[in-house]
Amino acid sequence: SQQGEEDPQALSIQEGENATMNCSYKTSINNLQWYRQNSGRGLVHLILIRSNEREKHSGRLRVTLDTSKKSSSLLITASRAADTASYFCATDAWNNDMRFGAGTRLTVKP
Amino acid sequence: EADIYQTPRYLVIGTGKKITLECSQTMGHDKMYWYQQDPGMELHLIHYSYGVNSTEKGDLSSESTVSRIRTEHFPLTLESARPSHTSQYLCASFSGRYSETQYFGPGTRLLVL
Repeated sequence: SQQGEEDPQALSIQEGENATMNCSYKTSINNLQWYRQNSGRGLVHLILIRSNEREKHSGRLRVTLDTSKKSSSLLITASRAADTASYFCATDAWNNDMRFGAGTRLTVKP
Repeated sequence: EADIYQTPRYLVIGTGKKITLECSQTMGHDKMYWYQQDPGMELHLIHYSYGVNSTEKGDLSSESTVSRIRTEHFPLTLESARPSHTSQYLCASFSGRYSETQYFGPGTRLLVL
């Protein structure tokens, strides 16, 4: 069953702007991860945040986690055309079998 | 780049054919997964394995089967392909001991005519 659900489904911004994507999930988790997928390719891991963490940074990426609301957000700052891709959140519910949402399709216009 | 490979990358076949999608990884990961993904849609877990001789069905009802005779190899077989099987199939592996992230192969795009 699908666990994470991303919002919005699609996002179009100009280069240099920030992009924010949200993810909601249903059950308690061990950790939440964000992945990126370029068109027609496999997924690439971006960042992992554990259930006892509230915020994490990696380069231009900032992830927050609110376990009370069962939600997470991914912020990409100073976006570039090369950031154009689909972004998925995945939840790990303690058995290491992750469930992925439908993804947010981000388009960054030059 | 992760050391996980899928072949073929693209496959066009006729209805009723038996096909095997190959997935192999050289990272010694115990856990391997197959996902089915339609364009622009979510990933659906169809099969997974926790190690040699271990296979389980995932969330999505699938007419495919898998085997895990060797740690590095996790092939997916469709006994009789149908147009409804047209999709992208993604293989992933996961260490569980040293890392909590899944590594994905490039995927196989299957078109059944």
